[in-house]
Amino acid sequence: QVQLVQSGSELKKPGASVKVSCKASGYTFTHYAMNWVRQAPGQGLEWMGWINTNTGNPTYAQGFTGRFAFFLDTSVSTAYLQISSLEAEDTAVYYCARDVAGNWFDPWGQGTLVTVSS
Amino acid sequence: QSALTQPASVSGSPGQSITISCTGTSSDIGSHNLVSWYQQYPGKAPKLMIYEATKRPSRVSNRFSGSKSGNTASLTISGLQAEDEADYYCCSYAGSTTFVFGGGTKLTVL
Repeated sequence: QVQLVQSGSELKKPGASVKVSCKASGYTFTHYAMNWVRQAPGQGLEWMGWINTNTGNPTYAQGFTGRFAFFLDTSVSTAYLQISSLEAEDTAVYYCARDVAGNWFDPWGQGTLVTVSS
Repeated sequence: QSALTQPASVSGSPGQSITISCTGTSSDIGSHNLVSWYQQYPGKAPKLMIYEATKRPSRVSNRFSGSKSGNTASLTISGLQAEDEADYYCCSYAGSTTFVFGGGTKLTVL
């Protein structure tokens, strides 16, 4: 079945970097774009952007430029989210979600909790 | 891009119907039918419930339905059940390959 499996929780200090992985299975990875969504503690969903899995070209939402990077390793059907210069405000659960037909997200990864604390 | 507007909470008794609204602008919801709805239980990943404003994946109960009029999309749940208690989020295509979510609605089954 179609599945996205994300890497485990991370605890990082302010200023460090983190890389979250999202491994896809059950479908042809390069046939569907991948989106990233953030959910801060007790807050709603926030769309971060997406990456074209054919070209590797990323698109970032406002507020997610500069310190955020999406990239791929198509040889292992995996998408990555890297966040550099981490701040306490980056503490959140990060989800990857497959983009179907360019207009809905299904399925979603299980989420990765990133905690930034000194 | 501002978040779509949803009520913070709605509630209903078992067996009743409830509707959750999602209001955007002519630049997002008002310009197409690319609205989707997601259900999220605490500590779990969101799950797709409605896509393209009115379509339902085969695995989703037919008690869930979607509609859209102008700049507002709606999710209706009929025959409310205890298991429907969750957070619900709308999402709309916002042009130039971008998306925007609503703030989320907490559904309480009384």
